[in-house]
Amino acid sequence: AQSVTQLGSHVSVSEGALVLLRCNYSSSVPPYLFWYVQYPNQGLQLLLKYTSAATLVKGINGFEAEFKKSETSFHLTKPSAHMSDAAEYFCAVSVRGGADGLTFGKGTHLIIQP
Amino acid sequence: EAGVAQSPRYKIIEKRQSVAFWCNPISGHATLYWYQQILGQGPKLLIQFQNNGVVDDSQLPKDRFSAERLKGVDSTLKIQPAKLEDSAVYLCASSLVRAGELFFGEGSRLTVL
Repeated sequence: AQSVTQLGSHVSVSEGALVLLRCNYSSSVPPYLFWYVQYPNQGLQLLLKYTSAATLVKGINGFEAEFKKSETSFHLTKPSAHMSDAAEYFCAVSVRGGADGLTFGKGTHLIIQP
Repeated sequence: EAGVAQSPRYKIIEKRQSVAFWCNPISGHATLYWYQQILGQGPKLLIQFQNNGVVDDSQLPKDRFSAERLKGVDSTLKIQPAKLEDSAVYLCASSLVRAGELFFGEGSRLTVL
């Protein structure tokens, strides 16, 4: 079975600083990997996804993530944090070509300090 | 394009009562999912439909939870009887195809007292 571990339930950065949210996965077969963002009282929105093509994936709102098979990681980064980035971020994994439902991590709450 | 619609947004019930949540997916989306999101945790898949057939319900507590998707469009998730640990946000998601991007509704927040 596949699983996802997100390191740090809360991450705080200053506005304009680098954002780094960590995600490690476990999967016995090549995975599909996703990052979702959730704003308060809203559903989840897809930021980006890795589907076995380019290992560096660019998403919306200036976010990107790099798939590193040797480290079983899919960390999310953004060069310069903005106040509007404050939200809950979820890493998720899927196998079987993404045909089945996603397995989510516990989430990381991103706090942006002015 | 209208998004995934869910109702009610909030529901408070006492334990052992029943509750039902409704989901209307994006028009034309064949795959529909129900997730349970307990406070402080990531969403957990409860059930996945492909049109009106069940693809995966391995994590659905079938002694108290049931779900249906009539005519391959709207879906209803029912809990009967509810327990305190069922307090959570119930998220519905849909995708155009089985391996496509998931679009989530805003969720239905259940509080069981």
